[in-house]
Amino acid sequence: QSVLTQPPSVSGAPGQRVTISCTGSSSNIGAGYDVHWYQQLPGTAPKLLIYGNSNRPSGVPDRFSGSKSGTSASLAISGLQAEDEADYYCQSYDSSLSGSGVFGTGTKVTVL
Amino acid sequence: EVQLVQSGAEVKKPGESLKISCKGSGYSFTSYWIGWVRQMPGKGLEWMGIIYPGDSDTRYSPSFQGQVTISADKSISTAYLQWSSLKASDTAMYYCARGYGSGRWADNWFDPWGQGTLVTVSS
Repeated sequence: QSVLTQPPSVSGAPGQRVTISCTGSSSNIGAGYDVHWYQQLPGTAPKLLIYGNSNRPSGVPDRFSGSKSGTSASLAISGLQAEDEADYYCQSYDSSLSGSGVFGTGTKVTVL
Repeated sequence: EVQLVQSGAEVKKPGESLKISCKGSGYSFTSYWIGWVRQMPGKGLEWMGIIYPGDSDTRYSPSFQGQVTISADKSISTAYLQWSSLKASDTAMYYCARGYGSGRWADNWFDPWGQGTLVTVSS
């Protein structure tokens, strides 16, 4: 059971904007640790989408954007495309217990 | 090109031992953390632990501490994940990934990822 909670699924029509939340607490996101996002297409390894809360690696379309506020972070996908149908995970660090990296519960994005 | 290449799929019986590998190339292997991530069938990603090959500093998730061992051989740019006694519940895809970032390791992100090693444990 992850300490970072994401909605199990979100959906949208092509061209629409969807957002995925990543809700944490004062021992992880709220403590100032960075949040990163990954996209996992079916049958493939995860791929880095956003690092350091809001930065896009080269090659990632600017349709993807990240933000962080308080104990939560969000990933937004604007101009949704069929190829965006995938699972998305947030990742951060949790300082409780002995400290460890953590992933969010994951969100399935469906393009209607 | 920075690349991580993992060892092939494994089929093991409960109680057997196993060591899977992750070979890095295209960068200074000793200067970046390497992490391991589990993905059970149809489930999400789980952060298992990371190692800094430069000095073998290793950190584990509390969920995996004592259950697996992470190591690295910097002479051949390879990280390892091993089990001494496998259980059926260890059946999963295991990914290695390079930790990247500036400052504290806790803020590292994973990029790139290996292709994954599927471990199946069945009697």
